Amino acid sequence: DTAVSQTPKYLVTQMGNDKSIKCEQNLGHDTMYWYKQDSKKFLKIMFSYNNKELIINETVPNRFSPKSPDKAHLNLHINSLELGDSAVYFCASTPGLAGGPQFFGPGTRLTVL
Amino acid sequence: QKEVEQNSGPLSVPEGAIASLNCTYSDRGSQSFFWYRQYSGKSPELIMSIYSNGDKEDGRFTAQLNKASQYVSLLIRDSQPSDSATYLCAVNTPLVFGKGTRLSVIA
Repeated sequence: DTAVSQTPKYLVTQMGNDKSIKCEQNLGHDTMYWYKQDSKKFLKIMFSYNNKELIINETVPNRFSPKSPDKAHLNLHINSLELGDSAVYFCASTPGLAGGPQFFGPGTRLTVL
Repeated sequence: QKEVEQNSGPLSVPEGAIASLNCTYSDRGSQSFFWYRQYSGKSPELIMSIYSNGDKEDGRFTAQLNKASQYVSLLIRDSQPSDSATYLCAVNTPLVFGKGTRLSVIA
């Protein structure tokens, strides 16, 4: 199936731990994104990569580090997890550089205890 | 700071009625506008995109754009209980999302 996929779907961990979320798209899109959706359902962009190059880096703690090994993959590593990091993290992709419709992955629900 | 404003709702409409969802945006240079539907516990799903002033229809959905007023709306005709969801307005670039309007269609 053509899609944006994310792993894991659920992640429960203790404060202070380090964790990673992986994203893959087989749509042939050039640009990928990470979004955070908080408990109030507000969806906010964190990072964007175009062909492995970081093009958007919003005001996000430097405990969050994205990595794009190729244009089909975008991973998110989070160091020293805090309670406030609990949220749903969505990966998305779009054809071209920007400005077009984005297609979202199923989300990763991160719970920090 | 680019902003997209939506009424959070809930907006309740009876089955078969027209649901009207509204959105305003602050960046006058915006060129692309999108409506996403998000069911509880699911990811946002693109339902409409609109790039020029006027109306764009797709099935029961009509998107309306007025760049002079910085206003974009979504009409859902013949609303069904399955349309009950949160509707997110998004404006480029990069995409800035509104906080969403929760729609409830009452059978």
